[in-house]
Amino acid sequence: AQSVTQLDSQVPVFEEAPVELRCNYSSSVSVYLFWYVQYPNQGLQLLLKYLSGSTLVKGINGFEAEFNKSQTSFHLRKPSVHISDTAEYFCAVSVPRTGRRALTFGSGTRLQVQP
Amino acid sequence: DTGVSQDPRHKITKRGQNVTFRCDPISEHNRLYWYRQTLGQGPEFLTYFQNEAQLEKSRLLSDRFSAERPKGSFSTLEIQRTEQGDSAMYLCASSLDGTRPDTQYFGPGTRLTVL
Repeated sequence: AQSVTQLDSQVPVFEEAPVELRCNYSSSVSVYLFWYVQYPNQGLQLLLKYLSGSTLVKGINGFEAEFNKSQTSFHLRKPSVHISDTAEYFCAVSVPRTGRRALTFGSGTRLQVQP
Repeated sequence: DTGVSQDPRHKITKRGQNVTFRCDPISEHNRLYWYRQTLGQGPEFLTYFQNEAQLEKSRLLSDRFSAERPKGSFSTLEIQRTEQGDSAMYLCASSLDGTRPDTQYFGPGTRLTVL
C-alpha cells in the first residue's frame, strides 16, 4: 500500500522569503502526485499535479514542485511567499495501476507567513 | 463551470441522531468521492462512485454509514446513530473519467459536530 509523509507539521516563514514544503511517498509502482491547499474552513484546492514527463511542475499562485524518483520525493517550493499563502498544504498520491481511485494524503503542513 | 457544492456546510447534532449530507459534483463529472478529515489530519478516503455504481468502500465506512448516488448526479452520505467520534469535516470530490491523471476537485465540506 502507498503512503505519504509530510516531514514538517508547521513551517513558519517571513513574508517574501522562499519556502520548501517536503513530501515523501512510498509506493512499489508508479504514482500520480498532487499538492492541495486548504484555507481555514474551506475545502481543498488543487495547486499542481505530476503525471509523467518533466520533473519540475509549475502550479498556481507561483508554486512549483519537483519530482525525484530516486528520493521518492515531491517537494513544494515558492521563491517568495505572501501573507495570503498562509494555509494548510497537503501532498497526495494515487496509484493508477491498481485501479484504485482514492487519493492517499499526508497529514499536512501548516505554512505560517509572518510579516 | 460551477464547482462541487455541499450542503449543509455545518451540522450540529446530538449523539444517537441520524444525519444526511448532500454533494453536487461538477456537472459533467461522472466520478464522485467522499472523504473524512479530522482535526490536524489529511483527508481519509471513505467511498467512490462511478456514475451510480459504488465501486469502492474504505474500511472506515462502518455499517452506520451509507452513501448513495441514485441517478449518477448528486450523492448523499448518511450517518446513523451518530457518535462523538464521527465529528469531522466530510469532503466530497468529483472527477471526469478518461482524464489523466484522474484529478479530483473538492467541495467546501460539511463540518459535523456530534455533542
